[in-house]
Order: sequence, then C-alpha cells, then structure tokens
Amino acid sequence: DGGITQSPKYLFRKEGQNVTLSCEQNLNHDAMYWYRQDPGQGLRLIYYSQIVNDFQKGDIAEGYSVSREKKESFPLTVTSAQKNPTAFYLCASRPRTSGIYNEQFFGPGTRLTVL
Amino acid sequence: AQKITQTQPGMFVQEKEAVTLDCTYDTSDPSYGLFWYKQPSSGEMIFLIYQGSYDQQNATEGRYSLNFQKARKSANLVISASQLGDSAMYFCAMREGPTSYDKVIFGPGTSLSVIP
Repeated sequence: DGGITQSPKYLFRKEGQNVTLSCEQNLNHDAMYWYRQDPGQGLRLIYYSQIVNDFQKGDIAEGYSVSREKKESFPLTVTSAQKNPTAFYLCASRPRTSGIYNEQFFGPGTRLTVL
Repeated sequence: AQKITQTQPGMFVQEKEAVTLDCTYDTSDPSYGLFWYKQPSSGEMIFLIYQGSYDQQNATEGRYSLNFQKARKSANLVISASQLGDSAMYFCAMREGPTSYDKVIFGPGTSLSVIP
C-alpha cells in the first residue's frame, strides 16, 4: 500500500534535547512538507522540499532543521532552540509536476511532548 | 494578516440535516486553489474537495459541495445529510500560485459536532 509513514506516533523528550521526527513516503512524490499544529489551531508550515537536496523555510522555521537526502524521506529535527516544541507534527507530500491543483497527502502525525 | 478566516470555532448540526462551514480568504494572485480537509480526533488529515480560482462551476464530491463566491472571496463548505461520522475539525486551505504554488496556508478550523 502506498502512503506516508510517520514514526513514532507519540514522542516524549526532556527540555534541551534535540529530537528527530521521521517521515517516509512510497508515493513517488517529489514535494514534501512539515506542518505544526497546536491545540485548537490550524496547521502552520515549518519547511517544505520540492526536490531532493533542496528545501525552503516555511512560516515558522526557527528552531527546526530538515534534510532531504532521499526522495522518500524528509526528517525534521526539533532543536533545543525551539522555545515551545510541544505540538502535533504532520508530514505531507504531493507530486510536484501536477501544477497547483493537487491536494497534499498527509501522514498520521507525531505528537511531541517536551517535559 | 490572516489569509484564511474561518469565523465559526464550533458548529452543531442535527443528523441528516445540511450544514455550511464558512471560509473567507485573502489573496491578490489571480491563480489559486482552495481546499477543504477533515481532521477526525485521530489526527489524520482527509482531503474533501478542491476549487480552482478559474473553475466556472462549484465543486462537488458526494455529500460535499463548495459554495464558491469569487468576488466575495468566499469558499464555504456545504455538507448535506450529516452523519455522526462527520463530527471532526474542518480546515479550509489555500494554495497561491504559480510562483508560490507549493505553499499551502490553512485556516484555524471549525469544529463540527453532529447530534443524533
């Protein structure tokens, strides 16, 4: 089955530690995205990547870093510089060549809690 | 400035009735796309319906239809014959293009509760 995998579903970390969230897709999509969702709020774009070895900052990139070494993988690192890292993180992908009209496919999300 | 506005934080609807969820947007780009997503309590995002800025007709997908009023910059979602499984958060989103076609902006969402 094709889809997007995010692991783990729940993640706990101590304050001051870096943590990496996994996102893998087997949809052969070029573009991948990371969003953050806080309780009762919409999704805010952290980073996105249109192609391997390239990525752009979204609206709230401070305190986060990403890499895109493989088409299938787009891991997100939440660094100690992120002041309020506790949130729900969603990864998405999209076929880049389809123009502006295709929807994004989302993973199941990772709920990060920093203690 | 808020580019996507959803003014109804919470809505209730009786089962089998229709409900309209409001969405207004702000863009100066003539080419854009509007999306609606459903997010159940499990957290997954489910794509419901899409409307392109140049589409002449309102989009429909099963029980979902989009009331697109371009001059008013409004893209309301209409759910007909509500079911208990429709209880969820609903997000309106916009993709501006072509230069920023990969960036999608989401609204704050509306929580819908379907009452038996």
